Amino acid sequence: KNEVEQSPQNLTAQEGEFITINCSYSVGISALHWLQQHPGGGIVSLFMLSSGKKKHGRLIATINIQEKHSSLHITASHPRDSAVYICAAGGGSQGNLIFGKGTKLSVKP
Amino acid sequence: AAGVIQSPRHLIKEKRETATLKCYPIPRHDTVYWYQQGPGQDPQFLISFYEKMQSDKGSIPDRFSAQQFSDYHSELNMSSLELGDSALYFCASSRGRPTRGQYFGPGTRLTVT
Repeated sequence: KNEVEQSPQNLTAQEGEFITINCSYSVGISALHWLQQHPGGGIVSLFMLSSGKKKHGRLIATINIQEKHSSLHITASHPRDSAVYICAAGGGSQGNLIFGKGTKLSVKP
Repeated sequence: AAGVIQSPRHLIKEKRETATLKCYPIPRHDTVYWYQQGPGQDPQFLISFYEKMQSDKGSIPDRFSAQQFSDYHSELNMSSLELGDSALYFCASSRGRPTRGQYFGPGTRLTVT
């Protein structure tokens, strides 16, 4: 069992739909990251959170520390949101992150 | 705001050559992490440094070495390159221990031919 699990692995949506990507982790964390990676591109940090909820534009990230679960929501999805979204958990005393396998999102016009 | 800088952004090397990748953390960040992401793979942690000392080691091959310098930038040295070393190498920086989060660089895409 992976220490960081994401679901779904693949997601296809129509433009305008509300999207949710889930992440469950079994490691102790000081922070959980949601990252975005376009094909052939580098990694962009979307959110870094240790509690509660954060919002940036159409993106919302929530985390439940007790349940060790986080969600990334995209409202009014757009084709430019098509990318791989990666959940990474860790921090602790050493800090290195453990990455989920990513969710490949494709938003159709 | 200043971000994590990596150089070069792209690098092409032949088998058995050496490569040096550089990572410049955000100012006042004292910790650097190196990750490797092979084609179609999850990123894997390689090594980290805190205050110029190695703090943790992951799946870094013996052919690779790294260090953090007095200005906190870090270099990843890779020798006897193999085709399987072709990957995106990205670094992240943070401040303090335990870290409250990492800020990622854009990565160096290494291609070994």
